[in-house]
Amino acid sequence: DIVMTQSPDSLAVSLGERATINCKSSHSVLNLSNNRNHLAWYQHKPGQPPKLLIYWASTRESGVPDRFSGSGSGTDFTLTISSLQAEDVAVYYCQQYIDIRSFGQGTKLEIK
Amino acid sequence: QVQLVQSGGGVVQPGGSLRLSCAASGFTFSNCAMNWVRQAPGKGLEWVAFIRNDGSTEFYVDSVKGRFIISRDNSKNTLNLQMNNLRAEDTAVYYCAKDRYATSSASDYWGQGTQVIVSS
Repeated sequence: DIVMTQSPDSLAVSLGERATINCKSSHSVLNLSNNRNHLAWYQHKPGQPPKLLIYWASTRESGVPDRFSGSGSGTDFTLTISSLQAEDVAVYYCQQYIDIRSFGQGTKLEIK
Repeated sequence: QVQLVQSGGGVVQPGGSLRLSCAASGFTFSNCAMNWVRQAPGKGLEWVAFIRNDGSTEFYVDSVKGRFIISRDNSKNTLNLQMNNLRAEDTAVYYCAKDRYATSSASDYWGQGTQVIVSS
């Protein structure tokens, strides 16, 4: 089983500042047959279903603001919010989908 | 537009059974793999079960193997989760989630969630 570990567990950032969340997988999620990293990022707000932000590690889902970006390959990945907005307060999860599925433990993002 | 409308859930005693359903519309259901994901109180998201687009392959998290069964009816655009021998630790909000493709892809649409409480 692939274990996903996020850091930090919680993060407080000032409005307009950059937020960075890291995700590390216990095994590579790079699929050599398609040269894609099977890694997604989700945003989850209380009382709502999770929302897909990024897939293939760096492809932004349609409608997602361009302040959200994903990077990384193999076992190490990053979600960056370039300029934090109030509506970005949420818990963020990474998920691998190369070996069935598993989520990171989540990172709670708050306003400083 | 894509819609995933969940039903079922509720309160059940330990050892009891529940059936969750997810009615899909707005996309070609038979082209997409589907999942169930849950969130226990105060915890993070946990993937529970996966079924391939044609129903030929299923996977489960270890904690529910032998107790939960995921199924789909592509003629009715419906996904189900039969939960048997429920335990207190199965208490959670359960979400159905549609994958972008038939297999090995991210989940781009989610149901609204349904509460399952296992308590005596």
